[in-house]
Amino acid sequence: DAGVIQSPRHEVTEMGQEVTLRCKPISGHNSLFWYRQTMMRGLELLIYFNNNVPIDDSGMPEDRFSAKMPNASFSTLKIQPSEPRDSAVYFCASSRVLGGRHQGDEQYFGPGTRLTVT
Amino acid sequence: DQQVKQNSPSLSVQEGRISILNCDYTNSMFDYFLWYKKYPAEGPTFLISISSIKDKNEDGRFTVFLNKSAKHLSLHIVPSQPGDSAVYFCAASSNAGGTSYGKLTFGQGTILTVHP
Repeated sequence: DAGVIQSPRHEVTEMGQEVTLRCKPISGHNSLFWYRQTMMRGLELLIYFNNNVPIDDSGMPEDRFSAKMPNASFSTLKIQPSEPRDSAVYFCASSRVLGGRHQGDEQYFGPGTRLTVT
Repeated sequence: DQQVKQNSPSLSVQEGRISILNCDYTNSMFDYFLWYKKYPAEGPTFLISISSIKDKNEDGRFTVFLNKSAKHLSLHIVPSQPGDSAVYFCAASSNAGGTSYGKLTFGQGTILTVHP
């Protein structure tokens, strides 16, 4: 069974450009999480979805960041316009949650997208 | 407000010895705790977990201990191997309020280096 798939693996872009990161969760998982990892702040939760519905986006740093989950097998994280301080590794993770409560099922992470904004 | 803290940024251990990674939390509503391991250029991978109804969980060389009164958990690796060299994150979740949707709060991570 394929794990969480993220694309692209690496993205280099210039300041001001739009960046779109993509994620395909594990089939059958109903919660999806976007994280950002930096040296300064560690692993930050940006937003998460349950059954394709955004539950909490309080971690999204600014209005320049947006995320969507149009269906159970696809999610995007968009940054528009991008800035050098957005440079980081962005992870997507998924898990199976029953009744809105964790049942001991851990999150599975994708390989991450390393974003560099120059 | 950092609810999950790993106060040691790094740990160096000799092969064959015990590695002990520590984690403290402040939110008394956390009831489930996990450890993840992360190699460079890869996503974190789940290692071991423990529910708040237990104080110990063991899986092979890995044991997690939970001290609820101290709000402290630790991961013991015995014996340590060079392949264990990675960043280790502890994480916590809560079902308080009836729903959590699987949200995890992560610590900052500890870099473990196991020398041959």
